[in-house]
Amino acid sequence: NAGVMQNPRHLVRRRGQEARLRCSPMKGHSHVYWYRQLPEEGLKFMVYLQKENIIDESGMPKERFSAEFPKEGPSILRIQQVVRGDSAAYFCASSPGRLGASGAEQFFGPGTRLTVL
Amino acid sequence: SQKIEQNSEALNIQEGKTATLTCNYTNYSPAYLQWYRQDPGRGPVFLLLIRENEKEKRKERLKVTFDTTLKQSLFHITASQPADSATYLCALVPNAGNMLTFGGGTRLMVKP
Repeated sequence: NAGVMQNPRHLVRRRGQEARLRCSPMKGHSHVYWYRQLPEEGLKFMVYLQKENIIDESGMPKERFSAEFPKEGPSILRIQQVVRGDSAAYFCASSPGRLGASGAEQFFGPGTRLTVL
Repeated sequence: SQKIEQNSEALNIQEGKTATLTCNYTNYSPAYLQWYRQDPGRGPVFLLLIRENEKEKRKERLKVTFDTTLKQSLFHITASQPADSATYLCALVPNAGNMLTFGGGTRLMVKP
């Protein structure tokens, strides 16, 4: 039973390029969360999605960042026109149920480390 | 403002001793609180969840307490081992919330 998969594990982009980060949740999980961890800082929530729907994007920067979780395939976090400040580890997590209702634990992927040159 | 605070200084203890980590929060009313372990270069791994109506939870060598009056959770590792060395994160979900809000983590170093 594979855990949460993220790819790529490492991604290097130049300023102004686009970054696409992929996340495949655990089998049977339909709730996906994206978090960002800046160097020497804690994990910060970005966005919460269920299949085909964005439920909460209150932690997502208003510009350049977008996320989707299509009916088929992985969830994608997309960062357009990357800047050096976007360099961070991006973690995806999945859960079998909604956090607030069930207290479900979250299962985290290994993360994608984005470096912007 | 809302805050979740963990001791940012590393905790160094001797193998076999009990490690105690603290998580304090302000201006939250969490339905429950979770503790995670994170090793360098890896994603967090869930350890324990404690609900607002529970005072204490145990799992093998781990024990978590939750005091909603003090707005504090304590995380204990008894008979600590060098393999317990990692960063430990507390996280909470405000009532009806959709996401985990994490503290900054405390790095634990267990020396043989």
